[in-house]
Amino acid sequence: GAGVSQSPSNKVTEKGKDVELRCDPISGHTALYWYRQRLGQGLEFLIYFQGNSAPDKSGLPSDRFSAERTGESVSTLTIQRTQQEDSAVYLCASSFSGGGETQYFGPGTRLLVL
Amino acid sequence: TQLLEQSPQFLSIQEGENLTVYCNSSSVFSSLQWYRQEPGEGPVLLVTVVTGGEVKKLKRLTFQFGDARKDSSLHITAAQPGDTGLYLCADPSRTYKYIFGTGTRLKVLA
Repeated sequence: GAGVSQSPSNKVTEKGKDVELRCDPISGHTALYWYRQRLGQGLEFLIYFQGNSAPDKSGLPSDRFSAERTGESVSTLTIQRTQQEDSAVYLCASSFSGGGETQYFGPGTRLLVL
Repeated sequence: TQLLEQSPQFLSIQEGENLTVYCNSSSVFSSLQWYRQEPGEGPVLLVTVVTGGEVKKLKRLTFQFGDARKDSSLHITAAQPGDTGLYLCADPSRTYKYIFGTGTRLKVLA
């Protein structure tokens, strides 16, 4: 079946603009994760959605970052008033359920803030 | 806060050579995962090790979990250009809040 998809694959924006990143998880996966990967670094947890439970937003680096998920499907990560330090690859993953199930990653959105 | 240190950071080798990369933790793992991330793609899970001293083999890849459960190694035999990528270790023990290492970037030259 189809894997996790993300769009856009690349995004170049100017400092101060807002950006919206989209993730389509694998159908039937109730858990969805967002990570940030800065150049040369590992993955940094941002936010976790599990079914209809309140999301865990503890990894969001500032109030400029927000994310939503519609039911158990599409999720969007929004970064307001982008800064140059927001430049990174934003990865989305989904799993059948939470609690340590294997996470399947999308290809990521490469964000460059000029 | 648990830290996962991976070494080396970068490795460039010729096709056919063997290599080992390492993942070390400041605290004990309950389990550990290894991922490979190819350029332009997301990470893909290679293996999960759960028992101290455990050895798992996946074709030319051998994964070892240290007896003390604070370190792990990944050995690749006869590396091929297709092995090129970023190798990440991760601690999945905090359910969904995985902790990832900074990775080893491997380049295998033909």
